[in-house]
This record gives sequence, C-alpha cells and structure tokens, in this order.
Amino acid sequence: GENVEQHPSTLSVQEGDSAVIKCTYSDSASNYFPWYKQELGKRPQLIIDIRSNVGEKKDQRIAVTLNKTAKHFSLHITETQPEDSAVYFCAASINAGNMLTFGGGTRLMVKP
Amino acid sequence: ETGVTQTPRHLVMGMTNKKSLKCEQHLGHNAMYWYKQSAKKPLELMFVYNFKEQTENNSVPSRFSPECPNSSHLFLHLHTLQPEDSALYLCASSHAGQPAGYTFGSGTRLTVV
Repeated sequence: GENVEQHPSTLSVQEGDSAVIKCTYSDSASNYFPWYKQELGKRPQLIIDIRSNVGEKKDQRIAVTLNKTAKHFSLHITETQPEDSAVYFCAASINAGNMLTFGGGTRLMVKP
Repeated sequence: ETGVTQTPRHLVMGMTNKKSLKCEQHLGHNAMYWYKQSAKKPLELMFVYNFKEQTENNSVPSRFSPECPNSSHLFLHLHTLQPEDSALYLCASSHAGQPAGYTFGSGTRLTVV
C-alpha cells in the first residue's frame, strides 16, 4: 500500500522567514497530493493541493511543488506569520481513488 | 461550519458504557471516513464508506462498530472501550471514486475512564 513520510516532524522559524515541509510517497500511481493545516484544537483544513499533471501550484504565500520522478512533494510558506503556527499534514491518493494516506505531520512554530 | 458536523464534541465514558458518535454532512459527498487522532498516530484511518458500503476496515478492534445508513450520515458505535482508546475521533467526507480533498468535522474528544 501507499506509504507517506513527512519531514521534519517539528520546525521552528522566525517570523518573516520561509518554511519548507517535505513528503515522499511510495505508490507511483498516486496522482493527487493535498496539504492540510490543523490549528490547535481545530479540525484539519485543506489549504492547497496539486495533481500529478502539474509541477507547481501557488496560492499567495503558500506553494506546493511535485517531483513525480523522485516521488516527493513539498509545501513552501513564505513570509511566515505567527498565525501560520499549526500542524501541517501532507497526503497522497491511493491509486486513482478517493482514499488518502497521510504523513505523520509537521508542527510549525513561527516565533514573533 | 464546514458542512461536516460531529456530535458530541466531548464525551467521557466508562469502560462498560455504550455510546455512539454521529457525523453528518450536507456537501453532496458520497464517501465518508472515520479517523482516530492521538499523539502516537496523528491521523489513523479506521473505516471508509463509499456509497454507503464499507470498503475499508483498517484492522480496527470490534469494540468500534461503524454504521452508514445513507451517504449523509455516519455513526461510530462504541462499547467496552479501553483507556488507550481515548483520542480525538474525526469524521471526514469527500467525493467517491476520484481523488479529491477531504472535508473534516471538528471531531469528538473521547475520554475513557
């Protein structure tokens, strides 16, 4: 089955710096890669996703890149702000179906 | 609200009790999921229902029993739980048969005493 590994497990950055979270996946048939943000005490929320037919997608300060050959994808957050502090989860689709496998999560702390 | 509603938000139950968690979505989705979230395993898949049919049971103990009467409602029946079952139980929904993002509910914080 699909295995998704996420690094680092914790990340501390200074406000205004960039943050990068990386994930690798094992199933070459995976074609959908969403990212979720979970603030303390709240539900995970979809913040950005990418499909296998593109290599990069941006939405304001966040971007996701995908390298299908290497089977890894990354979340980039620029000009970090304290409200970016949360746990971020990557995920990959299992084959071309609707099930997702999630990474272990990254706790991002943005210090003011 | 996100469109996925879970009740109750908090639940404390003894090991001999029977209780049920409820999840309801009005997003037109036809796949629903139960996840367990704990410090040990951040997002652990428990059950998957596609078009009301259970398609995945991720080796979950029989003291957890899911029920999906229709595409909008999902239940998790609990009985004779153990303290290690204390966790946040998250429900999610999505479109079935195609890769798509999940919409999560706010979860039920379960404490087994």
